[in-house]
Amino acid sequence: SQTIHQWPATLVQPVGSPLSLECTVEGTSNPNLYWYRQAAGRGLQLLFYSVGIGQISSEVPQNLSASRPQDRQFILSSKKLLLSDSGFYLCAWNRQRNTEAFFGQGTRLTVV
Amino acid sequence: QKEVEQDPGPLSVPEGAIVSLNCTYSNSAFQYFMWYRQYSRKGPELLMYTYSSGNKEDGRFTAQVDKSSKYISLFIRDSQPSDSATYLCALLNSGGSNYKLTFGKGTLLTVNP
Repeated sequence: SQTIHQWPATLVQPVGSPLSLECTVEGTSNPNLYWYRQAAGRGLQLLFYSVGIGQISSEVPQNLSASRPQDRQFILSSKKLLLSDSGFYLCAWNRQRNTEAFFGQGTRLTVV
Repeated sequence: QKEVEQDPGPLSVPEGAIVSLNCTYSNSAFQYFMWYRQYSRKGPELLMYTYSSGNKEDGRFTAQVDKSSKYISLFIRDSQPSDSATYLCALLNSGGSNYKLTFGKGTLLTVNP
């Protein structure tokens, strides 16, 4: 069976510090991978998606970047965090473009 | 007009009630429709997935899609306190290179014992 791992579960970081959130998928190959941010009252906002190694599409301009160094690894990064980067970050995957997506358990990031 | 509209609630019902959750959408290119359930501080989990107009039933849950009206619903029968969560509709475009799901804002449901 397929599983998705996302860590850490919670993170408190000072303004201006770097960020690295990691997501890995097991039990499948060549998944589509996604990073979402969920803010209170605003639903799920797609940040990045990737259809293959090294292929990253950005949905919104922001202080974040994403990388896919391996087939089943997706990393969300920032060089300098802003207060507005606080939120609940979710990684997700699906096999093909027309099938349901499965989510990790999320990382709650608080920038102080 | 936003692509997907969903009433955020909150919605509070007594145990055993029938719950109706709804989303409307504006883009007729959406062809795949999903409902996710999200417990507090957890990632969303897929509840229902449907492609065509009509009803799809799974236990106490029924997903309904009306493509002509661009309206989707999730019905929960005999609601239980364990159903208390945020419910998100999600829609997927079938064509081109658009792989992303578009989510509603979610409806917070509380089922009171």
